[in-house]
Amino acid sequence: EPEVTQTPSHQVTQMGQEVILRCVPISNHLYFYWYRQILGQKVEFLVSFYNNEISEKSEIFDDQFSVERPDGSNFTLKIRSTKLEDSAMYFCASSVQGQGGNTIYFGEGSWLTVV
Amino acid sequence: QQPVQSPQAVILREGEDAVINCSSSKALYSVHWYRQKHGEAPVFLMILLKGGEQKGHEKISASFNEKKQQSSLYLTASQLSYSGTYFCGTVNNNDMRFGAGTRLTVKP
Repeated sequence: EPEVTQTPSHQVTQMGQEVILRCVPISNHLYFYWYRQILGQKVEFLVSFYNNEISEKSEIFDDQFSVERPDGSNFTLKIRSTKLEDSAMYFCASSVQGQGGNTIYFGEGSWLTVV
Repeated sequence: QQPVQSPQAVILREGEDAVINCSSSKALYSVHWYRQKHGEAPVFLMILLKGGEQKGHEKISASFNEKKQQSSLYLTASQLSYSGTYFCGTVNNNDMRFGAGTRLTVKP
């Protein structure tokens, strides 16, 4: 069964460093998402991406965050200057359509620890 | 904008039933239900698209009242494997917002 894959599974980085989290969505999917979950808390929406541009973003997704689909298969989340509070599990997801009628498939997550 | 889930936590004995509720202040296109075990990604359970729709998955079913902007997840004859945090995701426009989650613990 096709799946969303994410790398790395775990990354430790120093505060202030840049981090890039990578995702390979399911191949025929058109909508891509990033979510994050701070340990023990709820899943939070960060951004959705369609047709090579951001379609919606949350208040969490400020100027330190950016997303890119550099080569037609990868979907990346960049955090420019990490802060301690960025430590979380980051989930990539994708769906065929974005109108709510289709399942959103999640990757297994990238656990980011900022020290 | 995020849906409200209740209760926050439930503890059951194996074989007991539970209901988890999800409500939104916004008109909804659909409601998704996910279960997440500790340290793992959310796992999709089911999606409800139409008002009044009810769906089932083994002994887990859900209803969606579009007019009331509410959905409920029903777990009957719970099993140990049902333990986890259940999230509802509500979809308005093209994006999903999750509720805070309901932690379900099933004990032998």
